[in-house]
Amino acid sequence: DADVTQTPRNRITKTGKRIMLECSQTKGHDRMYWYRQDPGLGLRLIYYSFDVKDINKGEISDGYSVSRQAQAKFSLSLESAIPNQTALYFCATSDPPRPQYFGPGTRLLVL
Amino acid sequence: GESVGLHLPTLSVQEGDNSIINCAYSNSASDYFIWYKQESGKGPQFIIDIRSNMDKRQGQRVTVLLNKTVKHLSLQIAATQPGDSAVYFCAEGTGNQFYFGTGTSLTVIP
Repeated sequence: DADVTQTPRNRITKTGKRIMLECSQTKGHDRMYWYRQDPGLGLRLIYYSFDVKDINKGEISDGYSVSRQAQAKFSLSLESAIPNQTALYFCATSDPPRPQYFGPGTRLLVL
Repeated sequence: GESVGLHLPTLSVQEGDNSIINCAYSNSASDYFIWYKQESGKGPQFIIDIRSNMDKRQGQRVTVLLNKTVKHLSLQIAATQPGDSAVYFCAEGTGNQFYFGTGTSLTVIP
């Protein structure tokens, strides 16, 4: 969905490196989310934010941090990347009671 | 955590036939359910949703059925087309957080 963009789309990094994934949205939604997707597993919530001053941990937040720079921007950082963080990462936005809308994803490979 | 599962991991249908994809959920408190379609290399795309005060909702070529008694959700796709080939997964939630199923891979045979 062009309303939610993610950069980069693909990234290869080495163990121990710090990396940042960025998400921007033009939908005007207050709520933003970061998920990871692994083969055979459903989307799992890493962090979510209901507004610029509200940040909440999801079920798998260890090893990740986030920054909500503005209503439209929500970044995910891996402080020290490890191989089991290799996954597809999705950003999503929502304006309840409507569903979440997802970005195109970032494919991350940690060597 | 919640458990959202699918009965079948893969489904193959002939072009023009109807497809039915099933989903089981476990949280009786969930009041909002969504079906997403995910094509290879893309993010999940919203298809249709339904709230717990309904048992059926129709969209364009798609119908979602909700059976709260047995905690079961299904997605019916009418006259399945090659462009419907994708992974479909359901999500359940209460509006603040959602739990996602692992998905069913639908293949449409021309």
